[in-house]
Amino acid sequence: KAGVTQTPRYLIKTRGQQVTLSCSPISGHRSVSWYQQTPGQGLQFLFEYFSETQRNKGNFPGRFSGRQFSNSRSEMNVSTLELGDSALYLCASRLGQAWEQFFGPGTRLTVL
Amino acid sequence: AQSVTQLDSQVPVFEEAPVELRCNYSSSVSVYLFWYVQYPNQGLQLLLKYLSGSTLVESINGFEAEFNKSQTSFHLRKPSVHISDTAEYFCAVTFTGGGNKLTFGTGTQLKVEL
Repeated sequence: KAGVTQTPRYLIKTRGQQVTLSCSPISGHRSVSWYQQTPGQGLQFLFEYFSETQRNKGNFPGRFSGRQFSNSRSEMNVSTLELGDSALYLCASRLGQAWEQFFGPGTRLTVL
Repeated sequence: AQSVTQLDSQVPVFEEAPVELRCNYSSSVSVYLFWYVQYPNQGLQLLLKYLSGSTLVESINGFEAEFNKSQTSFHLRKPSVHISDTAEYFCAVTFTGGGNKLTFGTGTQLKVEL
């Protein structure tokens, strides 16, 4: 069974631009969560989607948004990029009511 | 406040020596506990988990962790490390009632030397 896939793997943007990252969960998994990883702040929860509905949201500004499609694929969008948004963005999927989450390889975003 | 603490940011150890990576949490509710491993330029891999039942859990590659409720700890141990175990290890907690989000510790860089 294929794991969680994320595209693109690397991305370079400039300040003020916006970016969309994509995540395809493990087949059959309907829950997708997003995390941001930076050297300074570590791993922080962004949001979780289940059956196209946002179920939980972390403490990030409104520039960070997401959505989930009927096939469980998810996208996150960051508008008006800032230098501090440079990070590894990780997507994780979960099967039904199971507690364990499985992570993708991440998208490395660099903001110049 | 709910939090996860990994006191050791780096742990150097010689190959074939034992190692313990410490993880403590603070919570007034029940928890589910996880250890993840991250190799350079990769995502997180689930190493092991404690959800319920036996407080000692094991992974397929020789790691084990023990849930100690009284000490609010979930330390990771391996009796004999290999050079390939060099990676960053993250302790993560799901606090019941807080949704399914994972709260992570700051990570411990395990460096295995010859």
